[in-house]
Parts: sequence; C-alpha cells; structure tokens
Amino acid sequence: EPEVTQTPSHQVTQMGQEVILRCVPISNHLYFYWYRQILGQKVEFLVSFYNNEISEKSEIFDDQFSVERPDGSNFTLKIRSTKLEDSAMYFCASCYPGGSGSSDTEAFFGQGTRLTVV
Amino acid sequence: ELKVEQNPLFLSMQEGKNYTIYCNYSTTSDRLYWYRQDPGKSLESLFVLLSNGAVKQEGRLMASLDTKARLSTLHITAAVHDLSATYFCAVLYLDTDKLIFGTGTRLQVFP
Repeated sequence: EPEVTQTPSHQVTQMGQEVILRCVPISNHLYFYWYRQILGQKVEFLVSFYNNEISEKSEIFDDQFSVERPDGSNFTLKIRSTKLEDSAMYFCASCYPGGSGSSDTEAFFGQGTRLTVV
Repeated sequence: ELKVEQNPLFLSMQEGKNYTIYCNYSTTSDRLYWYRQDPGKSLESLFVLLSNGAVKQEGRLMASLDTKARLSTLHITAAVHDLSATYFCAVLYLDTDKLIFGTGTRLQVFP
C-alpha cells in the first residue's frame, strides 16, 4: 500500500541552527501539506503546496520557514534558524482530491518527524 | 475565518457504553475526515465523508455528515479499551487548499 514517508523520525538541533525535514508523498498525489503538533495539542496547518508552488500558508509559516519540491518526489520543510518553540512533531501529508464525490480523496499522513530544539 | 470545533475535548467512558463526538465547522466544506491518533504516533485515517447525509461505519465507530448543519458526528458503540486514543475531525477546503483540523477529542475507555 502506498504511504507517505518522512525522514528523519527524530531530529535534535541546537537553537539557531537550520533543519530540513524531508517527505516523500504518494507518487500520484497533487496536494502536499506540512502540519505541526506541539505535544498533546492540536494539529496546526503550516502550508499547502500545489502545482510546484505554495498555495496557502498560515500565520505560523513565517520567513523562517520554506518548502521545496526539488526533484519531483521529495517535499522538504526548512526551518532556517530554529527556536525553542519550534519543538514539535511535524507531519507531512499528501492528497489526490479528485472530482466531486470522488473516492480518491483521502489525505494520507506520514509518521512524522519529532523535532527537538535545545 | 475557518474554524473547526470538536466537543467534548476529553471523554472518559466505561467499556460497553455508547457516546458521540461532535465536529462543527464554520464554512461550507468540500469533504470531512476523521482521524485517530495514538500517543506519539501519526494520524490514521478512519473515514472520509463526501456529501450530505453520508454515513460510514467501521466496527464500533460510525461517522455521519450533515452539510446543512455543518456538523459531523462520530458515534462509538459499546466502547472497548482499544478505542482509547485521540480523535480528530478535519475539514478540506479545496478553494483555499487547506485541510483544517478540529481541536481533538481525547477518549479514554476504562473497564
């Protein structure tokens, strides 16, 4: 069964360092997302990506964040200068929305990357 | 503003009992999802609801969608301990390319 793959599963970084979180979405999916979840809290939307560009981003997704799809398969989230409050679980998701009433509408999530900023 | 609210936020229930989790959303949506999350784990897709009146069932869980009321429910029948987890609804808005999550309902089933 196809799945969304994220690496690494856990990343520890020092405050101020850059991190890149990697995701391989399901191959025929068209929409890609990054979410974060601070421990025990709600799942927060960061950014959506469609047709090789950002289609929507949240207030959280400031200039410290960027996304790329460098080679048509990987989808990366970069945090330029990490802060303590960036510590969270980051989830990548992909979706093939299909047409109205289409059964190909599930949004699949990766296993997540736990980012710890020290 | 797009809002998705769930209630209750926390639910402690005895095995064998029935209960319903509610998900309200603020704006007409394209589709609605229910996910389960175990502690420290990812989001497991449970149901995708596409249209008004949609009802889906899997084991002891049944989800329904009323698009006119902007309400989805997740009904738990004869709860068992294995259902203990956090349940999220999420609403997809294709015109903004956003999948917005509800606040989550933490379910604890005890003997």
